[in-house]
Amino acid sequence: DGGITQSPKYLFRKEGQNVTLSCEQNLNHDAMYWYRQDPGQGLRLIYYSQIVNDFQKGDIAEGYSVSREKKESFPLTVTSAQKNPTAFYLCASSLGRGYAGELFFGEGSRLTVL
Amino acid sequence: AQSVTQPDIHITVSEGASLELRCNYSYGATPYLFWYVQSPGQGLQLLLKYFSGDTLVQGIKGFEAEFKRSQSSFNLRKPSVHWSDAAEYFCAVVQNAGNNRKLIWGLGTSLAVNP
Repeated sequence: DGGITQSPKYLFRKEGQNVTLSCEQNLNHDAMYWYRQDPGQGLRLIYYSQIVNDFQKGDIAEGYSVSREKKESFPLTVTSAQKNPTAFYLCASSLGRGYAGELFFGEGSRLTVL
Repeated sequence: AQSVTQPDIHITVSEGASLELRCNYSYGATPYLFWYVQSPGQGLQLLLKYFSGDTLVQGIKGFEAEFKRSQSSFNLRKPSVHWSDAAEYFCAVVQNAGNNRKLIWGLGTSLAVNP
């Protein structure tokens, strides 16, 4: 079945460490997105990518980095510069940027900084 | 800038009762509107969407929504709620900004269902 796979589902990090969250899709979608979800704050866009080897900052990109070397993969690195990284992270994809509203989501990764 | 407002943070209904979740948006032109559902600890799933045409749209899981331009609303409804409908519901609108399209999210409504 086609879908989006995020790993790991739960991740614990010590302060000062970088961590990378994996996102893989087999839907053959061009566009991929990373969102951060905090209680009561809805979804906030971190980064998005419309095509391979290209990505743009979203609303809260500071302290995060991404790459898009393959169409299927869009990993997110949470760097030590992110001041409050504990959150639920969601990866999504869409057929293309023109389908920005029709997103397919992974099951999320919960990051906790100890 | 466009915005989406979901006035109800939390709603509780009894199983079998009808449901209406409110969504108001601000946008000058005809909006592209969406409702998503999120079960606890899971990702989001698209319930339904409105682009144009018939203002009453049907979605999955027995949900429907009605677009009312005069009220800038896109309320989600279900005639009879099941216990499995307990989840977080998000309304969203696509914002067009030049060559970019961006999804603007409401803050969500948490639905609890009493047996």
